[in-house]
Formats: sequence, C-alpha cells, structure tokens
Amino acid sequence: GDSVTQMEGPVTLSEEAFLTINCTYTATGYPSLFWYVQYPGEGLQLLLKATKADDKGSNKGFEATYRKETTSFHLEKGSVQVSDSAVYFCALSRGGGSNYKLTFGKGTLLTVNP
Amino acid sequence: DVKVTQSSRYLVKRTGEKVFLECVQDMDHENMFWYRQDPGLGLRLIYFSYDVKMKEKGDIPEGYSVSREKKERFSLILESASTNQTSMYLCASSFGNSYEQYFGPGTRLTVT
Repeated sequence: GDSVTQMEGPVTLSEEAFLTINCTYTATGYPSLFWYVQYPGEGLQLLLKATKADDKGSNKGFEATYRKETTSFHLEKGSVQVSDSAVYFCALSRGGGSNYKLTFGKGTLLTVNP
Repeated sequence: DVKVTQSSRYLVKRTGEKVFLECVQDMDHENMFWYRQDPGLGLRLIYFSYDVKMKEKGDIPEGYSVSREKKERFSLILESASTNQTSMYLCASSFGNSYEQYFGPGTRLTVT
C-alpha cells in the first residue's frame, strides 16, 4: 500500500538557519504530494503541494520539488523564523473517486529558537 | 474562508460510555474524513465519506462507526469507549475532486 516516510524529529534550529525535512514515498502510479503544517493547538493546514513530477510547490518561503526518480518531496526553507515552530506532515494522494484520501507521514516537530 | 468546526476541544469520558464527536463544515464539501493523531504515529484515517449516507472504512475503523445524514455534518461514534481510544481526533473536508483537505482544530479525547 501507499506509505510516506519523513525524517524523525524533533528538529531544533536557531532563527535564520536553513531547514530541510526529508520525505520519501511509496505509491503506485503518479500521486500528488503535499506538505501540511500544524501550529500549536490548531488543526492541520495545507502549506504547499505538487501534482506532477518536477513540479515545485512553494509558500511562505518554503519549497519542495516532486522528484519521481528518487520518490522524494523534501521540504526546505532558507531562513527559518520562530513563528515556523510547528509540526510538519508530508502526505500523498492518488486521487480519483473515493481515493481522494491522504496518506500522511508521522510528522516532524520543528522548534526554532531566537 | 472554509470553516470546519468540531463540537468540543476537550472531552473526558469513562470506559464503556458511548461517545459522539461532531464535525460541521460550511463549504458544501462532498468529502469528509475522521483521523486520529497519536505521538509517533502521525495521522491515521478512521473513516471517510464522499456523499451523504455514504461511508468507507479507513485504515483503523475498529471500535468506531460514523454517520452522515446531512452533507455538512459528519459524526464519529465510539460505541463503547476504551482507554486505547484516548487520542486527538481531527475532522477534515474537501471538494469531490480536490486533494486539498481543510481541517478542524481537533478534539482531545481522554477515556478514563
């Protein structure tokens, strides 16, 4: 079945540091890929997405590129802020009919210190 | 803005009680989902629904049931709550052919 593997946390960085959170996936066909973010005390919200190979999703300074050859969708940000402290989830969907459900990774807790 | 609301932020129930968790969305979404979130396990899909009165089992449906009598409302039911159902429960919704899911704030359920 489908699965998503993302790097174990927690990740602790200083403000303005470079962030990478690794994500790889296993799925048949051509899934769409997502990063969701969960701020403390809140539900998840979509951060960025990519629907086909070589697409780059970007939002709020975060980027991720859909690499089919390595089945990866790593999240990066050049300079993190304290306000980026949250749990980040990588997810995939194979779409179609009742398959618009998402398969999530286990989440990576990011803490950014001033 | 899409709004997904859940009936309670925090809930404490006793073992054996019947528990209802309610979720309402205001964007006329066809699809609705119930997940549970546990440390180290991420989000796991319990049930989802792609139309009124339609439901499909997710990855961990045991011990749960659902009801969708109206398009905007999706209820999760724990017929006889057990301590291993202590968790954060998240509801989400999406348009019929969209991958983007909108999440509620979650209900933290404690079963004692």
